[in-house]
Amino acid sequence: NAGVTQTPKFRILKIGQSMTLQCTQDMNHNYMYWYRQDPGMGLKLIYYSVGAGITDKGEVPNGYNVSRSTTEDFPLRLELAAPSQTSVYFCASKGASTEAFFGQGTRLTVV
Amino acid sequence: QQQVKQSPQSLIVQKGGISIINCAYENTAFDYFPWYQQFPGKGPALLIAIRPDVSEKKEGRFTISFNKSAKQFSLHIMDSQPGDSATYFCAASRRGNEKLTFGTGTRLTIIP
Repeated sequence: NAGVTQTPKFRILKIGQSMTLQCTQDMNHNYMYWYRQDPGMGLKLIYYSVGAGITDKGEVPNGYNVSRSTTEDFPLRLELAAPSQTSVYFCASKGASTEAFFGQGTRLTVV
Repeated sequence: QQQVKQSPQSLIVQKGGISIINCAYENTAFDYFPWYQQFPGKGPALLIAIRPDVSEKKEGRFTISFNKSAKQFSLHIMDSQPGDSATYFCAASRRGNEKLTFGTGTRLTIIP
């Protein structure tokens, strides 16, 4: 069982560059989420999706974009990377009556 | 506005002791309160969860105590072991809105 798979695991970006963090789940979950984790700050919700074709902003959406063209995939796009986006990013998925399952995370450094 | 407040930020407990982590919430519409455990380099994983219709839930050495009137809930780890050393997050959500709001986390260290 793969669960929630995130790629890449690590990435260094230069200021102004763009990249896409990939997330895929094989549990047929409708709900998917992107969180960022900063030291001492817990997990902050960036974007979430309740199903294919539907996305909505979380607490900290500025500087990010998402799409949900399929149930399985929920990529997170950074268009113009900034040092403030240095963080660990977690993707998660959840069924209607299940717990949330998290991926292993992507550690992003913007220099 | 932080809707779920967690304390302490870090905790050191001797092996065999009781670890206690506390959370308080503001939104009375929350009706699902999970605790997540996270090891270094890994994503959070569900440890135990409770709904407000009960005041306590126990699973092995882990217990959630829930006080609806005080809007507080806590995690108790009995007979703490070095393998319990991890970061613990409390969270909350409400039915129909499946977004989890997390506390800021507690780094637990169990010393021999």
